[in-house]
Amino acid sequence: DAGVIQSPRHEVTEMGQEVTLRCKPISGHNSLFWYRQTMMRGLELLIYFNNNVPIDDSGMPEDRFSAKMPNASFSTLKIQPSEPRDSAVYFCASSSGGAIYGYTFGSGTRLTVV
Amino acid sequence: GDSVTQMEGPVTLSEEAFLTINCTYTATGYPSLFWYVQYPGEGLQLLLKATKADDKGSNKGFEATYRKETTSFHLEKGSVQVSDSAVYFCALTEDFNKFYFGSGTKLNVKP
Repeated sequence: DAGVIQSPRHEVTEMGQEVTLRCKPISGHNSLFWYRQTMMRGLELLIYFNNNVPIDDSGMPEDRFSAKMPNASFSTLKIQPSEPRDSAVYFCASSSGGAIYGYTFGSGTRLTVV
Repeated sequence: GDSVTQMEGPVTLSEEAFLTINCTYTATGYPSLFWYVQYPGEGLQLLLKATKADDKGSNKGFEATYRKETTSFHLEKGSVQVSDSAVYFCALTEDFNKFYFGSGTKLNVKP
């Protein structure tokens, strides 16, 4: 099993540009989570999906952020337009059976907005 | 609401020293408790868990006991190694969907 795969690993973009982060969950996992990690705020849950349906997006900071899960093997997190304060590490995680065994995290995408 | 409080780091120890990282929680119901570890440049990895009071989670020499009376889930290891240097996160969930993470405690182990 290749684990949760995120791309790109690093992204540097200019303020105002659109950024798309991608995630491929573990095959068979039916829940997917997007987290943001910063020094100031720690780990924040942005949104999560069960069976490709968004369940809770209360952590999405503002309308500039959007997430989709068109099928069980792919999800995107989009920021449009990006701002310097969006700079963070974005993690995707997946789980099966209600995460009784915890999440499996991807390696993250380090986003820098200049 | 639910929350997790961890001791601030960094914690610096010599190899073979005893480790304790404190974690306390606030929850409205009966949460399950977890410890995750994050190595540099990587995502979080599940280290251990406990799903009910008095349960002890253990893995790779690390242990934590779910103490309902003190709302705590302290992480311990009897003899740390340089390879244990990482950031450790305490977390809880009441529905196994939404996890609440602590702020993380960085551990530095010196040879």
